[in-house]
Amino acid sequence: AQSVAQPEDQVNVAEGNPLTVKCTYSVSGNPYLFWYVQYPNRGLQFLLKYITGDNLVKGSYGFEAEFNKSQTSFHLKKPSALVSDSALYFCAVRDENRGSTLGRLYFGRGTQLTVWP
Amino acid sequence: EPEVTQTPSHQVTQMGQEVILRCVPISNHLYFYWYRQILGQKVEFLVSFYNNEISEKSEIFDDQFSVERPDGSNFTLKIRSTKLEDSAMYFCASSEGQAQYFGPGTRLTVT
Repeated sequence: AQSVAQPEDQVNVAEGNPLTVKCTYSVSGNPYLFWYVQYPNRGLQFLLKYITGDNLVKGSYGFEAEFNKSQTSFHLKKPSALVSDSALYFCAVRDENRGSTLGRLYFGRGTQLTVWP
Repeated sequence: EPEVTQTPSHQVTQMGQEVILRCVPISNHLYFYWYRQILGQKVEFLVSFYNNEISEKSEIFDDQFSVERPDGSNFTLKIRSTKLEDSAMYFCASSEGQAQYFGPGTRLTVT
């Protein structure tokens, strides 16, 4: 069965320090992986995706994520955190084998990132 | 930058009433979705829609739910007879084929 785990409910980091938000996944076929961010009272905002190719993908606002097939992980990273990065982050996976481009996304529970000044 | 929009932002209804949640997907997208998030829980898939028909639906999407694309721009989710457990944030999404782009959500409160 398809699933996503975000092992940390909260991540706290000082501004200027690197941040990592962890995600592991389980799919039966090849994964399509996504990160979304949710600010208070806002929708889910797309950050980046991994479909195929280079394992390190770059996205919006200086975020990047590394796909690791052997560890079934897709951790979100940023070299230098900003206070404005504080938000709820969701990892999601789609199973390529589930057919075409309409595959549903399976979400993790979300990780609350707090960056303190 | 094009965005998915949803109306209303908040809907309060009594148990047993019908509600219609509205979405305007990004204009050149062809694939449409509804998800929901009950407070404190994961975002859950409800239904996907393409070429004027449902492509996939989850076990949550029972006979009380329906979707429609009544014109070239709107995509609606109808709940015929709401239950208390339908209280959630409902997100519409659209896709051009890879990433799904989400609207701001409609908070549905069933009393």
